[in-house]
Amino acid sequence: GQQVMQIPQYQHVQEGEDFTTYCNSSTTLSNIQWYKQRPGGHPVFLIQLVKSGEVKKQKRLTFQFGEAKKNSSLHITATQTTDVGTYFCPHGTNTGNQFYFGTGTSLTVIP
Amino acid sequence: NAGVTQTPKFQVLKTGQSMTLQCAQDMNHEYMSWYRQDPGMGLRLIHYSVGAGITDQGEVPNGYNVSRSTTEDFPLRLLSAAPSQTSVYFCASSSWTGGVPLYFGPGTRLTVT
Repeated sequence: GQQVMQIPQYQHVQEGEDFTTYCNSSTTLSNIQWYKQRPGGHPVFLIQLVKSGEVKKQKRLTFQFGEAKKNSSLHITATQTTDVGTYFCPHGTNTGNQFYFGTGTSLTVIP
Repeated sequence: NAGVTQTPKFQVLKTGQSMTLQCAQDMNHEYMSWYRQDPGMGLRLIHYSVGAGITDQGEVPNGYNVSRSTTEDFPLRLLSAAPSQTSVYFCASSSWTGGVPLYFGPGTRLTVT
């Protein structure tokens, strides 16, 4: 079945530094979503990427979907303390009935 | 709209006890699912449902039962709680399968002693 690895699992950055997390799949993905979970909270949807090579931006966040649709990245420019949390890139199965979240990347921002 | 609601927010059980975690959504979503979240293990899918009367297993279904008698409700039953089921449980829903964002409930923190 599909295997999606997210790296790194943990990342500590100084406030103002950039941050990137990557999701890599062994197979082609139909789409990929990104979610953010604040400490003590629940996952919240950020964005969905569908097209090969797609790039989407939300303020300081840039999301990319690889040309082969096997990898994706989330880049945060000039991190702020409000960026703290765990970022997930869940993928669905071919039938679209199951969404696997994995461990995500936990981001700590040091003021 | 209240979105996805879960009750209770916290629960302590003794080993062997049974209980039901409640999940309800008022968005007329067809798809509902249950996840558990443990430190270092991320979110793991327990069971899901693509509509009333239809349920299926996810990654970690053992020890849990579900049913979907209405579109709105998707309860998760623990028949005989075990310490290994200590976790935070999230219910999520979406309007259809295949990539539409999942809306999560606030979670239930369960401790089994």
